[in-house]
Amino acid sequence: NAGVTQTPKFRVLKTGQSMTLLCAQDMNHEYMYWYRQDPGMGLRLIHYSVGEGTTAKGEVPDGYNVSRLKKQNFLLGLESAAPSQTSVYFCASRHTTKETQYFGPGTRLLVL
Amino acid sequence: KNQVEQSPQSLIILEGKNCTLQCNYTVSPFSNLRWYKQDTGRGPVSLTIMTFSENTKSNGRYTATLDADTKQSSLHITASQLSDSASYICVVSPPSGSARQLTFGSGTQLTVLP
Repeated sequence: NAGVTQTPKFRVLKTGQSMTLLCAQDMNHEYMYWYRQDPGMGLRLIHYSVGEGTTAKGEVPDGYNVSRLKKQNFLLGLESAAPSQTSVYFCASRHTTKETQYFGPGTRLLVL
Repeated sequence: KNQVEQSPQSLIILEGKNCTLQCNYTVSPFSNLRWYKQDTGRGPVSLTIMTFSENTKSNGRYTATLDADTKQSSLHITASQLSDSASYICVVSPPSGSARQLTFGSGTQLTVLP
């Protein structure tokens, strides 16, 4: 099993450009999450999903959109990137009845 | 606001030495407290998990303690190895069924030198 994978690993964007980050998991988990990690701060939840076709806002959802069209994939979109969105983005997933979240390797995004 | 504070922010020790990392939280109520290890350039990996009724939990050379009265947890690393160099993150979970999500500390960066 690959676990949780994220693509791309690294990306540079110009302000105003758009992009989509892909998260995939092969553990048949219902719950999936997108976090951002900034220096000196704890991981902050952007959006999450409790099942295929459902999404919900987390702590810092502004400027991001998500979609969960397939159970194994969770997409994070930036419609118009801003320098404040420079961060490392982590995807995580977990089983419905178990609380341990499994994290992907992260995507490092730089917005100029 | 529910918070998780970790100390120290960073720590440097020599290989073979022991160390203790601290976590103070104000999240209440909570269902469990976890310690995650995050290697540089990787995602966090769960080390230990304790419910609010547990006092200690071990995972090899890692031992976590929890004092629910003082809202403090610690992670003790015994006989440190170079591979222990990482960020250690304290995470508090809300009660099952709560709309709140996990609260993450900002981590303690541990460096183990040969």
